[in-house]
Order: sequence, then structure tokens, then C-alpha cells
Amino acid sequence: AQKVTQAQTEISVVEKEDVTLDCVYETRDTTYYLFWYKQPPSGELVFLIRRNSFDEQNEISGRYSWNFQKSTSSFNFTITASQVVDSAVYFCALSEATGRGADGLTFGKGTHLIIQP
Amino acid sequence: DAGVIQSPRHEVTEMGQEVTLRCKPISGHNSLFWYRQTMMRGLELLIYFNNNVPIDDSGMPEDRFSAKMPNASFSTLKIQPSEPRDSAVYFCASSPQRTGFGGYTFGSGTRLTVV
Repeated sequence: AQKVTQAQTEISVVEKEDVTLDCVYETRDTTYYLFWYKQPPSGELVFLIRRNSFDEQNEISGRYSWNFQKSTSSFNFTITASQVVDSAVYFCALSEATGRGADGLTFGKGTHLIIQP
Repeated sequence: DAGVIQSPRHEVTEMGQEVTLRCKPISGHNSLFWYRQTMMRGLELLIYFNNNVPIDDSGMPEDRFSAKMPNASFSTLKIQPSEPRDSAVYFCASSPQRTGFGGYTFGSGTRLTVV
């Protein structure tokens, strides 16, 4: 069975600090997809990134970067020079690719990130 | 593209009443998912459809919950009878056939309160 663990329930940092959100996953499949979603106080789920299991290259998008390491089953998310607008709950999620087509996401419990001005 | 559209945004109902949540997926997306979010259990997958056919409903908590997808552009999640513990935010999401190409797009959610 697949599982996603986000051990950090809540993180609080001061604006402009760098912060890393941890994500560890479990799956028996060799083909799978990893995701990060942001849920701001307004409640919607905002897609941030998707990676497939065959692509371990790190990715950078502006102040956001992601470190995917299959050896440790981790997919960590770093925000550089954090801003108050980054305050939200961040979810890591896993989907296993089967022959049936798109499968559902298994979410971690989320990390509540608080950026203090 | 209007995204995934859910209605209503908020629903308050009395225990024992029937509740119907609605979802319109993104045109061309072949997979549709219903999730529930609560403080205690986080985000849980309830059921998903591929090409309008239910594939996995193992996440549906009880027989009081049912979901249908009569066509590619509409799905409903029904709770009958509703109970206070059903209070949650219910999200609908849609995806192209293969997750590698499209990911998942979520609607804005329906906040259900059963009193």
C-alpha cells in the first residue's frame, strides 16, 4: 500500500528565511508520480509540481525548488527567501500509475507553514 | 478553461437530510475523483471514475455515500441520510487519462456542515 509521510506538522519562520518541507513516501510500484500542492487560507488546492519516478533531476521554479531522491524515498520542497504570501498548508502526494489509467492521489497530512513578517 | 466546477460552495443541512454535491470536470479529462478533507483524517480519496465508470470506491465510508457519473461532464456525490460526522470539505478533481501528462486539477470544494 502506498503511504506519504510529512513529519513536520507546523513550521514557523521569519520572512526571508529559507525553509524546507520534508516528504517521505512508500510504494511498491516502480512507476509512480509525486506531487506538491499548496492550500492557502482560502481553501483551494493549488498544484505546484509533478515528478515521475524516472526523473530524479532537481527542479527549480523561482524561489521554489524540489529535491527528489529515490534512494531515500524523499521528495523535499524548499522555499528560498520566504514571503508572507507563502503561508499555507503544503501537501505532498503520490499516485501509482497502473494500466487502468489515472489513479487517485494519496496525500500526506500536510505541513502548515507560517511565515512571520 | 473554467477549471473544475463544484456546487454548491457551502451547504448546511440537518442530520438525516439528503445532500447532493455536484461536479463538472474539465472538458476532455477522462478521470474524475472525489476527495474528503477533515481535520482528523486529512485528504482522503473516496471514489474515482475513468471514462464515466467507477474504478475504485473503496474509500467510500459507508453505504450512505453514493456517487454517479452519468456523462463525461457531470458527477454527483450523494449522502443519504447525512450525519454530523459527514461535515467536511469535499473536493472534486479531474485528470487526463494518464497522470504523467496532466496531473490533477481540483475544484474549489464544497464545505458541508451537518447539524
